[in-house]
Amino acid sequence: NAGVTQTPKFQVLKTGQSMTLQCAQDMNHNSMYWYRQDPGMGLRLIYYSASEGTTDKGEVPNGYNVSRLNKREFSLRLESAAPSQTSVYFCASSSRGRNQPQHFGDGTRLSIL
Amino acid sequence: GQQLNQSPQSMFIQEGEDVSMNCTSSSIFNTWLWYKQDPGEGPVLLIALYKAGELTSNGRLTAQFGITRKDSFLNISASIPSDVGIYFCAGQWDDKIIFGKGTRLHILP
Repeated sequence: NAGVTQTPKFQVLKTGQSMTLQCAQDMNHNSMYWYRQDPGMGLRLIYYSASEGTTDKGEVPNGYNVSRLNKREFSLRLESAAPSQTSVYFCASSSRGRNQPQHFGDGTRLSIL
Repeated sequence: GQQLNQSPQSMFIQEGEDVSMNCTSSSIFNTWLWYKQDPGEGPVLLIALYKAGELTSNGRLTAQFGITRKDSFLNISASIPSDVGIYFCAGQWDDKIIFGKGTRLHILP
C-alpha cells in the first residue's frame, strides 16, 4: 500500500542552493498536486497537474517549478532556495473526474538556512 | 479569494467526551472533505461528502454537508487518545480545492 511516496523526508539547504523534491504515486491517478504547509496557514497549493503533460499554477507558485515526468511522477524544484521557502511540502494525487478526493504523501520537511 | 473558516482552532477535551468542529464559507462547494493529520505524517482522508444535506459516518466520526453547500461539520463521539491530531476541512469544486486552517485536538489525561 505505497500510495503517494515523497523523497526525501528531510532536507537542509543553504540559501541559493537548488533542490528537487520527488513524488510518485502508484494509484494510477491522473491529477497530482504540490502543497506547502506552514504553521497557522493550512495547506496552500503551489502547482498542480491535471493530467500527464499539463501543469498549472496554484496559489503560491513563485520560486518553484514543476515537472510532470510521466503519469506516476510529479517533481517540485527550487532553483534558488530562500529562507521563506522553509516549510513542509506535501504531494497529493487524485483520480480523474470532478470532485475526486486527494490522497497525500507523508511530506518533505525542508529547512533553508 | 475564496476562504474557509474552520473553528475552533484548537480544543482541549477529556477522554470520552464528544467533539464538534465546523467549516463555513461564503462560497458554494460541490464536495466537502475531512482529513486528519498526525504528527510527522500527511493528511489522511476521513470522510467525503458529495450532496447537500448528506450525513455520513465512519466509525465514531460523523460529518454533514450543509444544506446551503457553504458549510460542513465533523463530530467525533467518545474521544480516545488516538484521536489527537489536526483535523482539516476542505471544500472542492471541479478540480479546485481549498483547505481550512485546521482544528488541533488535544485530549487531556
